[in-house]
Amino acid sequence: QITLKESGPTLVKPTQTLTLTCTFSGFSFTTTGVGVGWIRQPPGQALEWLALIFWDDDKRYSPSLQSRLTITKDSSKNQVVLTMTNVDPVDTATYYCAHRLQPRWFDSWGQGILVTVSS
Amino acid sequence: DIVMTQSPDSLAVSLGERATINCKSSQGVLYSSNSKNYLAWYQQKPGQPPKLLIYWAFTRESGVPDRFSGSGSGTDFTLTISSLQAEDVAVYYCQQYYSSPYTFGQGTKLELK
Repeated sequence: QITLKESGPTLVKPTQTLTLTCTFSGFSFTTTGVGVGWIRQPPGQALEWLALIFWDDDKRYSPSLQSRLTITKDSSKNQVVLTMTNVDPVDTATYYCAHRLQPRWFDSWGQGILVTVSS
Repeated sequence: DIVMTQSPDSLAVSLGERATINCKSSQGVLYSSNSKNYLAWYQQKPGQPPKLLIYWAFTRESGVPDRFSGSGSGTDFTLTISSLQAEDVAVYYCQQYYSSPYTFGQGTKLELK
């Protein structure tokens, strides 16, 4: 059974750096094709795909946010970390991490973490 | 980027009636080498993460009721709920996984009439 859980601060100030961690179980980055992605959802709005990291450390980013995002993995800890620099109130959203097998859909999602950007 | 556009934005359907949601991609998501459409549908209820319903445009995820069906190819896709149940009230999203960035539609809110 695959499970994922997001963790990190729920309140950050504008211009700060946001660091979110996805801790998972039920799969491993030693498996070819495994990926973990981040998706966010502002309150009452649509899903927005942010970033994805693959088993071979290949990475993909949303072009509109690429300059502010960094995704990394720690295979020994079964964790994926997303860093977003210079946050703004428009970055207020629920952030989800999700499992994917290349080249497929997101089949398992975490419960999400609501991050509010406010001074 | 492939832009995913859903229609309508919201939909009110009576219990037992059919609900149809459309999704159009700005570029084709059919991979010619395997003849698969790289298109998924998700259901999201309030306070919950999205739940995968359909992948490869028409394959139901395990455990998804057969009243949910997907169709279409290339750039035009449809999610159909054949007989709406109360528990189907949710927001539905399409997503392409053909190429990065793996974009979602804007969502369709399905309500009871």
